[in-house]
Amino acid sequence: GAVVSQHPSWVICKSGTSVKIECRSLDFQATTMFWYRQFPKQSLMLMATSNEGSKATYEQGVEKDKFLINHASLTLSTLTVTSAHPEDSSFYICSALRPLVPLAYEQYFGPGTRLTVT
Amino acid sequence: KNEVEQSPQNLTAQEGEFITINCSYSVGISALHWLQQHPGGGIVSLFMLSSGKKKHGRLIATINIQEKHSSLHITASHPRDSAVYICAVRSGGNQFYFGTGTSLTVIP
Repeated sequence: GAVVSQHPSWVICKSGTSVKIECRSLDFQATTMFWYRQFPKQSLMLMATSNEGSKATYEQGVEKDKFLINHASLTLSTLTVTSAHPEDSSFYICSALRPLVPLAYEQYFGPGTRLTVT
Repeated sequence: KNEVEQSPQNLTAQEGEFITINCSYSVGISALHWLQQHPGGGIVSLFMLSSGKKKHGRLIATINIQEKHSSLHITASHPRDSAVYICAVRSGGNQFYFGTGTSLTVIP
């Protein structure tokens, strides 16, 4: 079946540094990818919608200058957490939409990236 | 009030029991997803529904569009079914709303 990968699976960084997380659709082209954040024992929170070749659409309350999203190809979207702070520590998950037929799709999730900012 | 409400929040069952998880939503939707998240965090999309009923193995998902309600059923539950089950709806374009999840523990 379709697979979405994320890299890295976990990362520890120091406050003030930037971290890049990659999301790849391995065997299909995804014009639309999503980035989510999940706090412990909570459900997913949609951060932004990433569209290939255009600017990402951010949800209300998500700082676009802090969470930079680049969807440069049909199989890769990246999330860069800039000037990371301890409160950015979280589990970041991406998903990709695989079109099936017009107006239909399947959504596949990546395995997630656990970010710890010290 | 959340756009998507799930019940129960936590569920413990004996192996072999029939399990039902419910999801109600308050927005118009184009599709409803049932997701499974294991303790490691990885998420699997179990079903995508826009009407009726779907079955995959021991899992059955139903949706009633008029009542804005969906259920996920697990027959003959097994300890490996232990996970968090999340209901998510897609409402107009790429707007997604997520339930808070149901944590299921199946005891041998």
